[in-house]
Parts: sequence; C-alpha cells; structure tokens
Amino acid sequence: DIRMTQSPSSLSASVGDRVTITCQARRGVSDHLNWYQQKPGKAPKLLIYDAFNLETGVPSRFSGSGSGTDFTFTISSLQPEDIATYYCQQYDGDPPTFGPGTKVEI
Amino acid sequence: EVQLVESGGRVVRPGGSLRLSCAASGFSFDDYGMNWVRQGPGKGLEWVSGINWNGVSAGYGGSVKGRFTISRDNAKNSLSLQMNSLRAEDTALYYCVRNKRPRAAYYDVVFDIWGQGTMVTVSS
Repeated sequence: DIRMTQSPSSLSASVGDRVTITCQARRGVSDHLNWYQQKPGKAPKLLIYDAFNLETGVPSRFSGSGSGTDFTFTISSLQPEDIATYYCQQYDGDPPTFGPGTKVEI
Repeated sequence: EVQLVESGGRVVRPGGSLRLSCAASGFSFDDYGMNWVRQGPGKGLEWVSGINWNGVSAGYGGSVKGRFTISRDNAKNSLSLQMNSLRAEDTALYYCVRNKRPRAAYYDVVFDIWGQGTMVTVSS
C-alpha cells in the first residue's frame, strides 16, 4: 500500500489568511491525487482531483498543485465556513489510500 | 438529484455477519464504479472495497480482504457489502461512494458522490 502523510496535522489561522497543507506519498503517484473536505458530522466532499483540477461548484480560493511524491493544497483566503478536516487521497496504487487528515481551525 | 442512501448498519457481536446496502438514484448507476469507504469513531478515512461499473472486477483493503464481499445489482441500482467475521476494529461509519469517472477501473478512483453513511458497531 502507498502510505500518505500530511502536514501539519492541525493548524489554526485567522479569517483571510492563506493556508497551505502538504501531502507526501511514499512513492510517486504521478498526478493521481485528490483532496477532500470533511466538516463535523458530514460526509467528505471532493474539492480537487488529479492534483489541481477544481471540482465543479467549489470556490476558486481552493487550489492544488504538485506531482510525483509532493503535493500542496491551498486556501488563498480562509473563510469561517472552511473549518473542516482536509484529506488527500492517491489512486495511483491499488488500494487507494488516504492521508491522515489536517484539521483547520480559526 | 444524485443520491446515495445506505442502510443495514447496526450493533453486531464479534464474529458475526452483516450486510450493508446502498440505493443509488439520479444517475446512470451502471456506468459508474462504486465503493465503500469507512471512518472509525474519531479516525480518518479508509477505503474498504470497490467494484467496477459492470461488476466484473473488485478490490479490497488489506484489513477486510477475505472477510468482506462487495456486489452490485445494476437492474436495481443497488450496491451491497457482505461483512463476515466482524471484529471490534470494523466499528465505523460506512459510506457508499461513487467514482467520478464513468467505466473506470475499480482502483482508479475519484470519490465524487458520498452517501450519509450507515453505522456499524461490533461489540459484545
């Protein structure tokens, strides 16, 4: 299995701040990397797929970049509704695997 | 409206069996691979199993391989997960999840549509 790591595990930022989360794969996964947002008590929601493609309807303040083993997820201007846990997920290897999550607080 | 509704979760004894179901609506079910993803209490996400659009190929996470079986009925727009030899560590919220890409391999997954989950508790 391809092990995924995320950093930080949690962060606290202010409204309007730029927030960056990194995700690292144990071995290269090309651009086969997705990002999800999970709010408390809710199912996860797809935000970014194939490393940098914004899912339909997702605000443009969310973005993703990277390829191979190192990926970055960015919220350009943090909003109160962005409080959530964010997960990366690779699908280059079988089985698909998730990172442990990054909890974002204000 | 695209929707996935899970059912079947309950409290079950260790070693017991359980069958989860997922009813799909609002899209061409037989064009899409489907998956089960679980989340233990206070824990992260774990892919449990996936099946391709026509049911020919399926895969399992290492922790459930040999104990769980995924299946689908395209005529009824339904997905199932048969869970045998349940353990305490299988306690989780089980989500039914669609693969965004039509007719993709079961492991080529972008999880775009999620149900609300059904809770499985394994306890004596």
